[in-house]
Amino acid sequence: NAGVTQTPKFQVLKTGQSMTLQCAQDMNHEYMSWYRQDPGMGLRLIHYSVGAGITDQGEVPNGYNVSRSTTEDFPLRLLSAAPSQTSVYFCASSYSSGRSYEQYFGPGTRLTVT
Amino acid sequence: AQKITQTQPGMFVQEKEAVTLDCTYDTSDQSYGLFWYKQPSSGEMIFLIYQGSYDEQNATEGRYSLNFQKARKSANLVISASQLGDSAMYFCAMRDYTGNQFYFGTGTSLTVIP
Repeated sequence: NAGVTQTPKFQVLKTGQSMTLQCAQDMNHEYMSWYRQDPGMGLRLIHYSVGAGITDQGEVPNGYNVSRSTTEDFPLRLLSAAPSQTSVYFCASSYSSGRSYEQYFGPGTRLTVT
Repeated sequence: AQKITQTQPGMFVQEKEAVTLDCTYDTSDQSYGLFWYKQPSSGEMIFLIYQGSYDEQNATEGRYSLNFQKARKSANLVISASQLGDSAMYFCAMRDYTGNQFYFGTGTSLTVIP
């Protein structure tokens, strides 16, 4: 199993550009989520999905869109990048039920918006 | 509102000694879960331990144990017999009663001194 994969690892965007961060998992997990990690602020939940076709907002959803057309993939779209979106982005997945809801994280994408 | 507080930005511990990392949480939910994750300098997020709000016994996973004091709303991580490889950031996190929303603390940087 590859686990949770994210592409790209690094990205530099100019203000106003759009891009999609890719996330895929091969563990047949129902739950997938996106976080951003900023210095001194821990991880904050952006959006999550509990299954194909079902998404919802987390703590900091503004400026980001998501969709879930398959169990495996959960892309995060930035429609018009802003410097405030400079951050490290993590995708995670887990079973949506069970003892612990333990999340498996991808390696992260470091995004810089200039 | 949900909140996780980690009041120790940085901690030092001698190799082979035990160390406690503090975490307090704020929730009005009766059902919730508490997690600890480790983030080494390489950046990946590694799951360490989980405690459910209805679990009567403190969780243990190898050298990690979670000191769960429900009335005080604290979920401290205890690492026994510290090793040099334990040097990392440690994040406390909580999931809400739906299992869909997760909240992370700001982290504690642990340095193990040889």
